[in-house]
Amino acid sequence: DIQMTQSPSSLSASVGDRVTITCRASQGIANFLAWYQQKPGKGPKLLIYGGSTLQSGVPSRFSGSGSGTDFTLTISSLQPEDVATYYCQKYLSAPYTFGQGTKLEIK
Amino acid sequence: QPQLQESGPGLVKPSETLSLICTVSGASISSSSYYWGWIRQPPGKGLEWIANIYYSGSTYYNASLKSRVIISIDTSERQFSLKLSSVTVADTAVYFCARYDAAAGFDYWGQGTLVTVAS
Repeated sequence: DIQMTQSPSSLSASVGDRVTITCRASQGIANFLAWYQQKPGKGPKLLIYGGSTLQSGVPSRFSGSGSGTDFTLTISSLQPEDVATYYCQKYLSAPYTFGQGTKLEIK
Repeated sequence: QPQLQESGPGLVKPSETLSLICTVSGASISSSSYYWGWIRQPPGKGLEWIANIYYSGSTYYNASLKSRVIISIDTSERQFSLKLSSVTVADTAVYFCARYDAAAGFDYWGQGTLVTVAS
């Protein structure tokens, strides 16, 4: 099975900072990569799919890039409401494996 | 906008069967464009995909759980369900149901329901 590895596992940044989270697949997955945001006590929210396509209603400060095995989620200007755990997921084929998550906090 | 709601017992005894239902509103569970799935999250840990089902009844399982899992769908009731047999404390988790779009991943999720396995 394809493994998904995120880095870092946790991250602390200041409001207004540019934040980058990376996700690596153990084999190529083309652009079948999604990013989710999960706030405490809530179900995950789809942010980006196809590696770089913003889901409807998601603020434009979020962006995604990458293809094949290496992917990046970027928040261009961190806002207090972005405090959450972020997960990548490959959805090319089952099993639909998630990365282990990146917990983002405000300094 | 699709809404999904999980329901079922919050406490299950070891060796018994965990049973959950997801009720779908605001979208057709019989749509040929989507699948329906279950994902779980142990307390303080990450997400694990369990199974997906298509409106026709085609099923897809995580191999690590396949021997203990059954996913089914009742289109007339707008529901799909999960049964996990022979549970242990390791199956304690928040269980989410979600809609799966093959072009986008899981695009709508329920709020999740905590199931604790304990005697």
